[in-house]
Amino acid sequence: QQQVKQSPQSLIVQKGGIPIINCAYENTAFDYFPWYQQFPGKGPALLIAIRPDVSEKKEGRFTISFNKSAKQFSLHIMDSQPGDSATYFCAASIYGGSNYKLTFGKGTLLTVNP
Amino acid sequence: GAVVSQHPSRVICKSGTSVKIECRSLDFQATTMFWYRQFPKKSLMLMATSNEGSKATYEQGVEKDKFLINHASLTLSTLTVTSAHPEDSSFYICSAREGLLNYGYTFGSGTRLTVV
Repeated sequence: QQQVKQSPQSLIVQKGGIPIINCAYENTAFDYFPWYQQFPGKGPALLIAIRPDVSEKKEGRFTISFNKSAKQFSLHIMDSQPGDSATYFCAASIYGGSNYKLTFGKGTLLTVNP
Repeated sequence: GAVVSQHPSRVICKSGTSVKIECRSLDFQATTMFWYRQFPKKSLMLMATSNEGSKATYEQGVEKDKFLINHASLTLSTLTVTSAHPEDSSFYICSAREGLLNYGYTFGSGTRLTVV
């Protein structure tokens, strides 16, 4: 399977809170897991990415936690700000056909209230 | 960092006409380019993958005669929607990757196509 399941569908937090978005996958052949942020009318922008041999990665206020045995990974946003309000997509990359390709989760609409 | 430029950002065309969308990698050579389609409040759906100088590989269910993809150089790929119909209205996004390694996917800013 090439499916990546993302939850929750939407999330509302207060400024300073720590929203957590979760993703799960089935195919152990996935070997690259990026998170993207998308604002309305714009293309996705890479936030942070991880490979399955690492359990955690931090970049600024964004942290990925990766649980290889559970086939789950999550995004944590520390000290969230209203400017973080956007749609977040997890993705996973796998070799298919003649190329590596990304499969996206369904997205999480995050709202950070002032 | 890597930059992918996509044009136009918005286009309105009449039903039955064709429209071309350009995707350029500005500061790197894009060995592979991807085209996605995104419906409102939905995820990105991969339409096709193209390697420079080769024919595009289309995902199942995507009409190759409707969505023509050309990747003639390492910095430019084009998507032409032929004989467009209102149901082709959507947000189209390109992505480019340098080399054949499994990382470094950079996305364009998207094109909003409206067919009237």
